[in-house]
Amino acid sequence: EVQLVESGGGLVTPGGSLRLSCAASGFTFSTYAMNWVRQAPGKGLEWVSSLGGRSQPMYYADSVKGRFTISRDNAKSSLYLQMSSLRVEDTALYFCVRGGGDQPFHYWGQGTLVTVSS
Amino acid sequence: YVLTQPPSVSVAPGQTARITCGADNIGSKSVHWFQQKPGQAPVLVMSFGSDRPSGIPERLSGFNSGNTATLTISSVEAGDEADYYCQVWDNRSEHWVFGGGTKLTVL
Repeated sequence: EVQLVESGGGLVTPGGSLRLSCAASGFTFSTYAMNWVRQAPGKGLEWVSSLGGRSQPMYYADSVKGRFTISRDNAKSSLYLQMSSLRVEDTALYFCVRGGGDQPFHYWGQGTLVTVSS
Repeated sequence: YVLTQPPSVSVAPGQTARITCGADNIGSKSVHWFQQKPGQAPVLVMSFGSDRPSGIPERLSGFNSGNTATLTISSVEAGDEADYYCQVWDNRSEHWVFGGGTKLTVL
């Protein structure tokens, strides 16, 4: 069974940093592209970043480019999102998602909540 | 690249709901659809325009042509009430794009 479990969310002040993690199991992690998708409270889905199975290709939404860094450790079956220079508008539930390339976003974690507030 | 969805669609139980996703030449792209119920993660309900993942009922179907992709839910049930999102990959920007979402209300 495919499982994606996010962690690392929390309350942070504007300008601060946070690192999200996603622990994957139930599949050969290194063979799949992975993604972060976020959802602000009461709002729709927003794609954040994608990373190929061997850490390439790498893509970012314009809203986070230069501030967020996606990475993965295939030996640990883990995906990460390093977030810096956080803004109030980054407040959202962040989902870890398997998919990309020729694969749809089939598997989603339950999300980890990031709140940016002073 | 912008995907335009109607904010809401309402339908009586047993009727057919059609949720559209409009964009320039979307018919040339692979469109994916997600269902999201309150407090839950999204669920993939249609991929590559018209492919139903395992476990998704045959009442759901998809079609994509021209400037519009459509998710059709036949014989709507109360359990279909949810937000629905379309998604495509935009080659030009190298971005994944989601539509704004459509809230399906079962009357």
